[in-house]
Amino acid sequence: AQKITQTQPGMFVQEKEAVTLDCTYDTSDPSYGLFWYKQPSSGEMIFLIYQGSYDQQNATEGRYSLNFQKARKSANLVISASQLGDSAMYFCAMREGLIRWNTGNQFYFGTGTSLTVIP
Amino acid sequence: DGGITQSPKYLFRKEGQNVTLSCEQNLNHDAMYWYRQDPGQGLRLIYYSQIVNDFQKGDIAEGYSVSREKKESFPLTVTSAQKNPTAFYLCASSIYGQETQYFGPGTRLLVL
Repeated sequence: AQKITQTQPGMFVQEKEAVTLDCTYDTSDPSYGLFWYKQPSSGEMIFLIYQGSYDQQNATEGRYSLNFQKARKSANLVISASQLGDSAMYFCAMREGLIRWNTGNQFYFGTGTSLTVIP
Repeated sequence: DGGITQSPKYLFRKEGQNVTLSCEQNLNHDAMYWYRQDPGQGLRLIYYSQIVNDFQKGDIAEGYSVSREKKESFPLTVTSAQKNPTAFYLCASSIYGQETQYFGPGTRLLVL
């Protein structure tokens, strides 16, 4: 089974509008972390936002917010007031289990959503 | 400037040849990671290292090797045993006690 599922291969949004990118995850471990990354055409992965499984409130970072619904195992990214520079691939990722200091943790990535902002 | 550097940006490999991708960071991060990205897909973990002289296999380690002789450096060798090496390779690092991984600009490997 896929650990991270992103069902939207491509999305379009009008400039200055808000957009939601979907992400569902699969784990039986009560401790995990969820991440969103942006990958522009240059290729570099840019960290956007993080949500821990025990965090009571949804994470926010500027125009980015994470809509965390634990019972549904979803971690959707909301981008408000879209800008042309937001056009990129967006990846959802998960760190599963307690943080292991001695051996580290594996991350699981989804297949990504391509976002295009229309002027 | 602090960050992660990867070189070269583009690398060409001939059949049967081993090639090494460089990853250096000056962030004083403890952990380093190598990922492979194929077109239309997410990232898959090749190897990761939490401390110097220690590393762990990821999901797709076959045909790859790594070393971690210095904290700052985590080179990846793509061996001739890797039959389909054409991909985009990303290196990442993270600091002890924090989870977020920060990525380098990537190396695109092509087979001649």
